[in-house]
Amino acid sequence: DGGITQSPKYLFRKEGQNVTLSCEQNLNHDAMYWYRQDPGQGLRLIYYSQIVNDFQKGDIAEGYSVSREKKESFPLTVTSAQKNPTAFYLCASSEETGRFNEKLFFGSGTQLSVL
Amino acid sequence: GENVEQHPSTLSVQEGDSAVIKCTYSDSASNYFPWYKQELGKGPQLIIDIRSNVGEKKDQRIAVTLNKTAKHFSLHITETQPEDSAVYFCASNTGNQFYFGTGTSLTVIP
Repeated sequence: DGGITQSPKYLFRKEGQNVTLSCEQNLNHDAMYWYRQDPGQGLRLIYYSQIVNDFQKGDIAEGYSVSREKKESFPLTVTSAQKNPTAFYLCASSEETGRFNEKLFFGSGTQLSVL
Repeated sequence: GENVEQHPSTLSVQEGDSAVIKCTYSDSASNYFPWYKQELGKGPQLIIDIRSNVGEKKDQRIAVTLNKTAKHFSLHITETQPEDSAVYFCASNTGNQFYFGTGTSLTVIP
């Protein structure tokens, strides 16, 4: 089945620790995105990548880092600099490169909590 | 930048009744308006979308209307069923970025 796979489903971070969230897609989509979802708020864009080896900051990139070494993979690292990391993290992808008004498909999310 | 407002934040309807969720946007350059359904602990799923050159789109029990002049668009669900219970998000896109509403929690009472 084609789709977007996020892992793990639940993740716990200790203070001062970096953690990495995995996102893999087999849709052959060029563009991939990371969003953060907090209760009662809309989705906020962390980072996006339109092509391999290139990525751009979104609205709330501070405290996060990404890489795009392969077309199908876009891991997100939540660094110790992110002081309020508890949230539901969503990875998404879309077909076209350089165009945001294409259909956006989401993974099932990772819930990150701080110990 | 774009600002998307969504109302109501919660909505309860009796099974079989209709549900309407409304969103407004601020950027006249927005040209694509998707609606997503999110069930608890899962990622949002695209249920219907509309582009700015169309005023209405329907897919079985779900329809979306767009008023470009007033900068608002609405989701209409008819003959609601318990499985329609979820959080619904609207979004707009200017061609540069998606902007999301804050969500509507819909409960369909059997």
